[in-house]
Amino acid sequence: KQEVTQIPAALSVPEGENLVLNCSFTDSAIYNLQWFRQDPGKGLTSLLLIQSSQREQTSGRLNASLDKSSGRSTLYIAASQPGDSATYLCAVRNSGGSNYKLTFGKGTLLTVNP
Amino acid sequence: SQTIHQWPATLVQPVGSPLSLECTVEGTSNPNLYWYRQAAGRGLQLLFYSVGIGQISSEVPQNLSASRPQDRQFILSSKKLLLSDSGFYLCAWSENRGTEQFFGPGTRLTVL
Repeated sequence: KQEVTQIPAALSVPEGENLVLNCSFTDSAIYNLQWFRQDPGKGLTSLLLIQSSQREQTSGRLNASLDKSSGRSTLYIAASQPGDSATYLCAVRNSGGSNYKLTFGKGTLLTVNP
Repeated sequence: SQTIHQWPATLVQPVGSPLSLECTVEGTSNPNLYWYRQAAGRGLQLLFYSVGIGQISSEVPQNLSASRPQDRQFILSSKKLLLSDSGFYLCAWSENRGTEQFFGPGTRLTVL
């Protein structure tokens, strides 16, 4: 059974700092991995999708990497801003017949202080 | 562009009452549709998945059911709510199996 862990559970940084959020998963037979952002009381916003054959994806100040063999992904946020404050969720999609299903971590609550 | 709507945004219901949450998607056809629940202190849990009208897969045995009466409409229901049904319910869509999922704004359900 796939399990996804996100460390740290919470992170507080000053504005302008570069930071890394970590995601690990137990079953390396994944189809792809998706990073989301969730603001309090809101739905999820998709940030990046990395296919299993890719090593990284970039969107603006965000860069996500994937090391499938070691079961790890990182989300790098450059030059953090107060508007980046939110919960960041990692979700993996297994290969095979269950590739419709996302397994989520519990998220990292990021606070960027002005 | 595609948009996903959910209503109501919030709902407070007594134990034993019925439930109907609605999700609609605009700007796409034949989407894959999903219902998730996010409970306090727990990760998102997939409840139901649908690849087409009338085609529903249940992921977790529970007090809830889902229906898809139209291509872009997905409904979550219960005949009798339990306290444990409280949570944040999220609808999502994707073009195909395994592709990027996009989420709606969610419905906050409180069962008293």
